[in-house]
Amino acid sequence: EVQLLESGGGLVQPGGSLRLSCAASRFTFKDYAMTWVRQAPGKGLEWVSGISASGAISYHADSVKGRFTISRDNSKSTLYLQMNTLRAEDTAIYYCAKDLNFGSGTYDTFDLWGQGTMVTVAS
Amino acid sequence: QPVLTQPPSASGTPGQRVTMSCSGSSSNIGSNHVTWYQHFPGTAPTLLMYRNNQRPSGVPDRFSGSKSGTSASLAISGLQSEDEADYYCVAWDDSLKGLLFGGGTKLTVL
Repeated sequence: EVQLLESGGGLVQPGGSLRLSCAASRFTFKDYAMTWVRQAPGKGLEWVSGISASGAISYHADSVKGRFTISRDNSKSTLYLQMNTLRAEDTAIYYCAKDLNFGSGTYDTFDLWGQGTMVTVAS
Repeated sequence: QPVLTQPPSASGTPGQRVTMSCSGSSSNIGSNHVTWYQHFPGTAPTLLMYRNNQRPSGVPDRFSGSKSGTSASLAISGLQSEDEADYYCVAWDDSLKGLLFGGGTKLTVL
């Protein structure tokens, strides 16, 4: 079955770091742009970061710029989100998602989502 | 700061037609496609509409999308109880160089 599986979430103190992973299976991962989207408790969906199929181009929301870094290892079919200097407002479910388009990504159309991993930032 | 504005709630009775709006600006909806996602709380979001009015395979033709200028809308005809969910519009913003999500519209089927 084509799927994405996130891992790496958990409880971390303010100012701490965490690395999320998203393992892809049953599709050619290296051919698709990928994205992270989050949902804070009781809030709506928020785009976090996007990365091209090759990994050469990446984008980050202003709210995480300078603190979070998206990356990928195409040899392992895995997407990452390195989160540093975490704040209480980063508490959310983090979803990874696959771009619809083969090759050059749309960066807005995601046809496959993982089930999410919860990140809680609290002391 | 660019934003996409959606009404927080919408409602209808089974069989009715409901529309949801999404208002943006020239740097996002005005110059890029609009995508819509359906989200049942506690589950992963799903793609509902892309490139303003294109339905992915498996999405019933009861769902339709449109865009005009800096606004977009999603319509659901023949409303069903299983349509009760949160709906988000999305568009790339050229000035932010980032993706914007609307605040979401919670649809209630009465």
